[in-house]
Amino acid sequence: EIVLTQSPGTLSLSPGERVTLSCRASQSVSSTYLAWYQQKFGQAPRLLIYGASSRATGIPDRFSGSASGTDFTLTISRLEPEDFAVYYCQQYGGSSFYNFGQGTKLEIK
Amino acid sequence: QVQLQESGPGLVTPSGTLSLTCAVSGGSIRSGNWWTWVRQPPGKGLEWIGERYHTGTTNYSPSLKGRVTISLDESKNQFSLKLTSVTAADSAVYYCVGSHSWCLYYWGQGIPVTVSS
Repeated sequence: EIVLTQSPGTLSLSPGERVTLSCRASQSVSSTYLAWYQQKFGQAPRLLIYGASSRATGIPDRFSGSASGTDFTLTISRLEPEDFAVYYCQQYGGSSFYNFGQGTKLEIK
Repeated sequence: QVQLQESGPGLVTPSGTLSLTCAVSGGSIRSGNWWTWVRQPPGKGLEWIGERYHTGTTNYSPSLKGRVTISLDESKNQFSLKLTSVTAADSAVYYCVGSHSWCLYYWGQGIPVTVSS
């Protein structure tokens, strides 16, 4: 079973900064099957990125995703106050169909 | 735009059955989406429970298989989750989701369920 490891667990940053979140797969994952979600406190997750690099409908272009082998990254080019949340990567495949990383919490410094 | 709304009891007794329903609006349950349940224990990450397509094809998490059933009611444009023999470990916020293209597109707001006597 593929394990997704997100790093770091928590990031403390200021609005306006650039941030890159990491998601590493324990074995090869097709970029087609990799997505990113944002979850604000007390809310349902929201799809941000699918296919590793395609933005979902309505997602601002400051969010971008990329892939390199088993490493996937979510970049926020310039943090807005509303971007402070928990971010999850997700991979489709295997017996569990949908696997999630453990999440990275982005908090205001 | 597809919208989803969960409903059901917020408290279930241990060894009982958790039953939730998800009403789908803004689209047909016979559309190209898989109808999915995801849960999130308090303070923890996301766990996929299972999915069903309108043709009847169903997939369940191996860790829950045998206890979980997802069904569709096309006449009411809704789908349901049943989880049997629940324990405190099944306490979580349960989300209904419309998924396609290998990701989870449309999310309900979530419903907290506590397993306790």
